[in-house]
Amino acid sequence: GAVVSQHPSRVICKSGTSVKIECRSLDFQATTMFWYRQFPKKSLMLMATSNEGSKATYEQGVEKDKFLINHASLTLSTLTVTSAHPEDSSFYICSARAHKGTSGRYEQFFGPGTRLTVL
Amino acid sequence: AQKITQTQPGMFVQEKEAVTLDCTYDTSDPSYGLFWYKQPSSGEMIFLIYQGSYDQQNATEGRYSLNFQKARKSANLVISASQLGDSAMYFCAMSLFSGGYNKLIFGAGTRLAVHP
Repeated sequence: GAVVSQHPSRVICKSGTSVKIECRSLDFQATTMFWYRQFPKKSLMLMATSNEGSKATYEQGVEKDKFLINHASLTLSTLTVTSAHPEDSSFYICSARAHKGTSGRYEQFFGPGTRLTVL
Repeated sequence: AQKITQTQPGMFVQEKEAVTLDCTYDTSDPSYGLFWYKQPSSGEMIFLIYQGSYDQQNATEGRYSLNFQKARKSANLVISASQLGDSAMYFCAMSLFSGGYNKLIFGAGTRLAVHP
């Protein structure tokens, strides 16, 4: 099946620094990727939709200047948390959209997630 | 407004027994998809099963089946013959076509514990 990787899997940083998280589709091209945030014991909240070659579409309440998304190629999207603060500590998960040939519908394949801790 | 509701924060089941995880949804869009994902403690999201709004038959994938009741707007997941490895968080999700893209909205999740 389709594989999506995320790097790093864990990151600890100091308050005020910026952190970049990579999301890669390893064996398929993804024109659309999604970024989610998950707090402990909570559900996934969609942050933004990332489209190759264009600006990301952010969900209501998500600061686009805080969470910079770049979808530079058909296999890579990056999320940069700028000037991170402790409240940004969370589990960030990406997914990549792929067309499932036999069913004719789109599926989302999820990365393993990145746990960010801001001290 | 589109919404997914999972009313069971936690469920317990004995190994080898069947268990049903509830999911109700709300949308005015006639075309939508319903998904179930499993999230073990490692955090990865594992796709389990999909049901399209126009599908006539309930979806089945191995030990997983989806009890789709369109009039009631429910899409309950049934896991037959539970195994210890089924212990995890389970999320129901709905795909919506918005702004040119399909995006998923998730329910709050149900934590399933399988006891030996």
